[in-house]
Amino acid sequence: AQKVTQAQTEISVVEKEDVTLDCVYETRDTTYYLFWYKQPPSGELVFLIRRNSFDEQNEISGRYSWNFQKSTSSFNFTITASQVVDSAVYFCALSRNDYKLSFGAGTTVTVRA
Amino acid sequence: SAVISQKPSRDICQRGTSLTIQCQVDSQVTMMFWYRQQPGQSLTLIATANQGSEATYESGFVIDKFPISRPNLTFSTLTVSNMSPEDSSIYLCSVAPGQPEAFFGQGTRLTVV
Repeated sequence: AQKVTQAQTEISVVEKEDVTLDCVYETRDTTYYLFWYKQPPSGELVFLIRRNSFDEQNEISGRYSWNFQKSTSSFNFTITASQVVDSAVYFCALSRNDYKLSFGAGTTVTVRA
Repeated sequence: SAVISQKPSRDICQRGTSLTIQCQVDSQVTMMFWYRQQPGQSLTLIATANQGSEATYESGFVIDKFPISRPNLTFSTLTVSNMSPEDSSIYLCSVAPGQPEAFFGQGTRLTVV
């Protein structure tokens, strides 16, 4: 069974602060994929980043960066210099090769001007 | 990626009636899924829509309640049958066009009164 835990329910920051979202996962598979999705108030789900289980290299993409650590089964996501438009619900998700996603509960991020 | 169009975007329905949601993709995709997001909750996979055969349902979801059609590789429908207020949710169509990441339609916001 797969499980994704996002312990943070809500985070509120002032614009330009950095925001780090925590994600811990459980899986018995050796090959799996981790994702972050953003759901703004309009409701659509926007794909942000993906990481493969066999690639622990951490990267930065614009204002987004992520920290994947297999040893602790964590896949944390950071928004640098947050903006009001970053206000949304962020979901961490996990899948096998079957493309079926298991989602965490989501973290609501509010960025105040 | 893929462009996914869902119709309707929202609806208010009377209890006991049924609603059919359409999902159209701009390219042929093998893997197509339907998710439900209850108010304030995370996303849960309802079923995998298989082209040319019956859908594969996840635990807790049955064909009589959520019949799914997949007549070709670009189109699927989900019907929510005999609706009750507990069916009020956002229903999202998702596709995985050959990559591990899935892309989502804008969702159908259903309210049952």
